[in-house]
Amino acid sequence: AQKITQTQPGMFVQEKEAVTLDCTYDTSDQSYGLFWYKQPSSGEMIFLIYQGSYDEQNATEGRYSLNFQKARKSANLVISASQLGDSAMYFCAMREFLYGGATNKLIFGTGTLLAVQP
Amino acid sequence: EADIYQTPRYLVIGTGKKITLECSQTMGHDKMYWYQQDPGMELHLIHYSYGVNSTEKGDLSSESTVSRIRTEHFPLTLESARPSHTSQYLCASSEHDRAGANVLTFGAGSRLTVL
Repeated sequence: AQKITQTQPGMFVQEKEAVTLDCTYDTSDQSYGLFWYKQPSSGEMIFLIYQGSYDEQNATEGRYSLNFQKARKSANLVISASQLGDSAMYFCAMREFLYGGATNKLIFGTGTLLAVQP
Repeated sequence: EADIYQTPRYLVIGTGKKITLECSQTMGHDKMYWYQQDPGMELHLIHYSYGVNSTEKGDLSSESTVSRIRTEHFPLTLESARPSHTSQYLCASSEHDRAGANVLTFGAGSRLTVL
């Protein structure tokens, strides 16, 4: 069965420092996609970054980068130069690709609550 | 600037009442989804739709029902609310993109409390 594991229930980071949020996944498929979403206290889910299983380079989006280690089945999110507005819940998620197309099912981890301190 | 809208944002209601959570998107996306999220927990897919007149149940069993009569509209209905239905319900939509990412765009959520 496919599974996403986030082992850090909560983390603190000082403003302007970098932080890594851990994510490991389990799947028997060769094709899949990995996502990170941010959920502020207001409740909406904000897409941050995507990594395809066949992408050779780690994905980057501004201050966000995804440290993708396929052999270890890990997809850690790195936030550089943390800001107070980064305080939120962060979810790692995975989608499988079946028969050459993406399924519509995202499997989410339990999330990591990040608190950025001034 | 939201392209997917959910109403109500907050709803407190008594047991046995019928409720409908509205979800509308202006992006013309074919695929729409409903996720359920208990406080501090992960999201679970309860319903999804590939297009008009298409609905499927998700991985988490739910007593709610959905309909997709128009592309932009995907309401969720509970015929008789119970305290166990207390949760946040998140609506999302997506379209296929060239990278195959199929990124979901979420609404702000509807927080339901059943007394």
